[in-house]
Amino acid sequence: GAGVSQSPSNKVTEKGKDVELRCDPISGHTALYWYRQSLGQGLEFLIYFQGNSAPDKSGLPSDRFSAERTGGSVSTLTIQRTQQEDSAVYLCASSVTGNTIYFGEGSWLTVV
Amino acid sequence: GESVGLHLPTLSVQEGDNSIINCAYSNSASDYFIWYKQESGKGPQFIIDIRSNMDKRQGQRVTVLLNKTVKHLSLQIAATQPGDSAVYFCAEKYNNFNKFYFGSGTKLNVKP
Repeated sequence: GAGVSQSPSNKVTEKGKDVELRCDPISGHTALYWYRQSLGQGLEFLIYFQGNSAPDKSGLPSDRFSAERTGGSVSTLTIQRTQQEDSAVYLCASSVTGNTIYFGEGSWLTVV
Repeated sequence: GESVGLHLPTLSVQEGDNSIINCAYSNSASDYFIWYKQESGKGPQFIIDIRSNMDKRQGQRVTVLLNKTVKHLSLQIAATQPGDSAVYFCAEKYNNFNKFYFGSGTKLNVKP
């Protein structure tokens, strides 16, 4: 597709379970970002990948959160032992380095 | 402005009027700025951008103004339409970094 694709679009999980969220960036975009947005809030930076460089993980809120990007394309954000405060929209974005970042529609996570 | 939890700053305008949405950014070294529009249940959508070597940029019905002296960014929407109702975020990129930092957002309500 032409845009950033995220899956699943909605996920309801039980507290304590692990979840994986997937992002397929725009073809040719070397930079990939994950942001989190809680209800009615702004966007909180989580992690940034750029080419083959080591990712910038400075925004990950705890060691329960991790992300990887395989082959410089698809990325997976993993949340282990989910907590209710993890409920949010997880937004992925991609860009050509240093330029406009384009967002997907997000993965809406609800932890019950 | 500052986030106040679930209560985003709200701007209400009459259809056909011009709207001005303001944003105070944090870093005097930021070199690139973007305005995004986010409709309910969707990811942020690019509207317009501006680099720090400019103070004004115009698009279709939108104008972005940058005042580096006071670290202020504004988005002007001409002849506001009901379809413009959304939350608007400004984003800044620090010079020599590729992460974008987002403001807390302003909700625009357009009254028919």
